[in-house]
Amino acid sequence: DAGVTQSPTHLIKTRGQQVTLRCSPKSGHDTVSWYQQALGQGPQFIFQYYEEEERQRGNFPDRFSGHQFPNYSSELNVNALLLGDSALYLCASSLMGQGPNQPQHFGDGTRLSIL
Amino acid sequence: LAKTTQPISMDSYEGQEVNITCSHNNIATNDYITWYQQFPSQGPRFIIQGYKTKVTNEVASLFIPADRKSSTLSLPRVSLSDTAVYYCLAQGGGGATNKLIFGTGTLLAVQP
Repeated sequence: DAGVTQSPTHLIKTRGQQVTLRCSPKSGHDTVSWYQQALGQGPQFIFQYYEEEERQRGNFPDRFSGHQFPNYSSELNVNALLLGDSALYLCASSLMGQGPNQPQHFGDGTRLSIL
Repeated sequence: LAKTTQPISMDSYEGQEVNITCSHNNIATNDYITWYQQFPSQGPRFIIQGYKTKVTNEVASLFIPADRKSSTLSLPRVSLSDTAVYYCLAQGGGGATNKLIFGTGTLLAVQP
C-alpha cells in the first residue's frame, strides 16, 4: 500500500524563477492538501484540491497555484520565487467521504531552497 | 478552528513516561483532538485522536477531561527514537473541510 509520495525531494532555485512540485496521494484517497513548513515552525495550510478543483485556500498569494489530475495526483506551482519561499513543502492526502475528522496522511515533503 | 497551546519544549530520559498537555479553550462541539508526530525532514505522522475521556492505542494514550478545554498525550516508557516534535490540533469542526491548523508544537528531547 503506497503512501503519499512527493517529488523531487530537494530543489534549489534562484529568485524570480518558477517551480513545480508533485504529489501522489495514498492509494484510495481523493483529496490532496498542500502545506508550507518554514524552519522551526509548524506546517501552514496553502490549499486543498478535490475533484480537480481548489476547495479551500489559506493565506497565500496567488503566486501559489495548483492542479489536481483525474488520477488524484496534484501539482503545486510557485511563480516569481522569493527568498522567503524557502521551506519544506508537504503534501497530505485524505478521503473526502470520511469526513473532516479523519487523520491526514503526509508525504515527506520537498525541501525548496531559494538562492 | 480552535487554537491550541502547548509547551514549546520538554526534556525526558529513556524509560520515563512523558505527558504533554495541550490547551484548547475554544474547542468547537464537533472538533476532535488529534496529535501528530514529526521527525526532522519528514512529514507529520498521525499518533492518536479522541473526542472525550480516554483513548489508547499501541503507541500512546490520550486523556480528554469532560470540559474538553485541554488534553494530555501520554507516551509510556519513551526511547531515544521518540525525540520529535509533537503537534496537538483541534480537527473537524470547520464543516466539510479537513484543513489542519498547526501551532509550533512541542519539541520532545529524550536523553539516555
